Amino acid sequence: RKEVEQDPGPFNVPEGATVAFNCTYSNSASQSFFWYRQDCRKEPKLLMSVYSSGNEDGRFTAQLNRASQYISLLIRDSKLSDSATYLCGCAGANNLFFGTGTRLTVIP
Amino acid sequence: DAGVTQSPTHLIKTRGQQVTLRCSPKSGHDTVSWYQQALGQGPQFIFQYYEEEERQRGNFPDRFSGHQFPNYSSELNVNALLLGDSALYLCASSMDRVYGYTFGSGTRLTVV
Repeated sequence: RKEVEQDPGPFNVPEGATVAFNCTYSNSASQSFFWYRQDCRKEPKLLMSVYSSGNEDGRFTAQLNRASQYISLLIRDSKLSDSATYLCGCAGANNLFFGTGTRLTVIP
Repeated sequence: DAGVTQSPTHLIKTRGQQVTLRCSPKSGHDTVSWYQQALGQGPQFIFQYYEEEERQRGNFPDRFSGHQFPNYSSELNVNALLLGDSALYLCASSMDRVYGYTFGSGTRLTVV
C-alpha cells in the first residue's frame, strides 16, 4: 500500500472557480503534513504546512483530519497562475513521502 | 542565502555505467534527502542522511547508495544503471520537519 494516495486528476477548472484536492495517508505515526506546488519541469516548492486546526493563506486553505488520515487543500477564486501540480506530503521522523500529485489547469 | 544546489543539471549515461550526483544543502540545514521522480509521478523517497549516516531508506535497491560529508553536502551514487533509472533526481534539505523540506532544482538523468 502506498504511503500517500492522491487523485491524479487532471482537474480543469475555469478562472474564479473553487477547487479542492484530497489526500490520504497510511501511516498513523506521520507527524507533519504539507502541500507542495510543482510547475512543469521544476522542483517542488512548499505551498503550506497543514495543521490539525486548519490553516489559511490568502486563497488557500488546508485541513488535516488525523482520525480519518486525510488532508485537503482548497483553492478559492482560481487564477491562471495556479495551474501546476499539487503534491501532498506526509513526514515521519526521518522521511517525507509524497503522493503522485494532482494536476490542475485553470482555463481562461 | 543560497538554496539547495545540485550538480550536474543534466546527465546522459549508458546502461550499466555508474553515476554520482551531488547536493549542497541550504545554509543552516543539516539533513539531506534524495528523491527519484519519473515523468508524471510524484517524488519517490530514496533515503535520508543526517550526521553522515543513512537514517532511513525507501524501497530502492542497493544499487542506490549515498554519502553525507561533514559539511552536510551529499552524494547519490547509482551503480549498474538501467533504462528505468532515467528520471529527475531531487535533493531536499531540512533542519526542522515542521517547516518542510527545501528542494534543489534536480539532476535530469537519461540512461540510454
